[in-house]
Amino acid sequence: QSALTQPRSVSGSPGQSVTISCTGTSSDVGTYNYVSWYQQHPGKAPKLIIYDVSERPSGVPDRFSVSKSGNTASLTISGLQAEDEAHYYCCSFAGGYTFVFGAGTKVTVL
Amino acid sequence: EVQLVESGGGLVNPGRSLRLSCTASGFIFGDYAMTWFRQAPGKGLEWVGFIRTKAYGGTTEYAASVKGRFTISRDDSKSIAYLQMNSLKTEDTAIYYCTRAASAWTYWDYWGQGSLVTVSS
Repeated sequence: QSALTQPRSVSGSPGQSVTISCTGTSSDVGTYNYVSWYQQHPGKAPKLIIYDVSERPSGVPDRFSVSKSGNTASLTISGLQAEDEAHYYCCSFAGGYTFVFGAGTKVTVL
Repeated sequence: EVQLVESGGGLVNPGRSLRLSCTASGFIFGDYAMTWFRQAPGKGLEWVGFIRTKAYGGTTEYAASVKGRFTISRDDSKSIAYLQMNSLKTEDTAIYYCTRAASAWTYWDYWGQGSLVTVSS
C-alpha cells in the first residue's frame, strides 16, 4: 500500500490541461518541501521532471508545473502533447531518511 | 553524458543471494550519493536504500522491507555501486534501478535502465 494518494488515471485531449493530485500527510508532503515527480513511459526508466516541490530540471518544458497546499501537491500538464502519455509518480521525503511514493497516475492523451 | 548501467539480475531461488552492480560514467562518481529503487511488475516505485559519499562516511540507509537482508556498497575507484541481496523472497521480484542522488539527497536526477530480479522456485 502506497503512502501517497494519487488518482489511478487522468485523461485529456491534445492542448488541454490535466492535473494530478498527490495527497500525503502532515508527516511528509505537509511538512517538507522535498516533493519530486517522475515520468515513466512503458518499459523505460523513470525520469525526474520536478524536484523540491516546483523546480524543473533543465530540459523539462514549463508545461509541467506544480502547486502545493497543505498535505497535497498537484502536478499540472498544460498544452497536453502525445508524448506526455505516461505514468507519473510523486515522491515525498518523510523524515528520518525515509521516502514515500504514490502508486502512480496514468495519463492518457485522447 | 551521465550513464548508469545495472547488471547482475536474473532468476534466483527463494533464500538465495544475488548481487547487482551499477557502473557509472560521465560524472565524478565519488562526489555523489547513490540510491537503489525497485519496481515490482505492474506496481509503483519503492525506495530500497542509499549510500552516502565517502566525505559523509559512506554510510547507508535502508527501507524497512530490506533492512538486514540487503547491503549497499561502493567502489569509487571503479565508479561502481553494488546492491547485495541476501535471503531473497518472492516479494523481492522487481526491476531494480540504480540512481544518482542529487546534491540534497532528496531527489534523483539520473536513473539506470533497470535490472530484473525474479525470485522463484
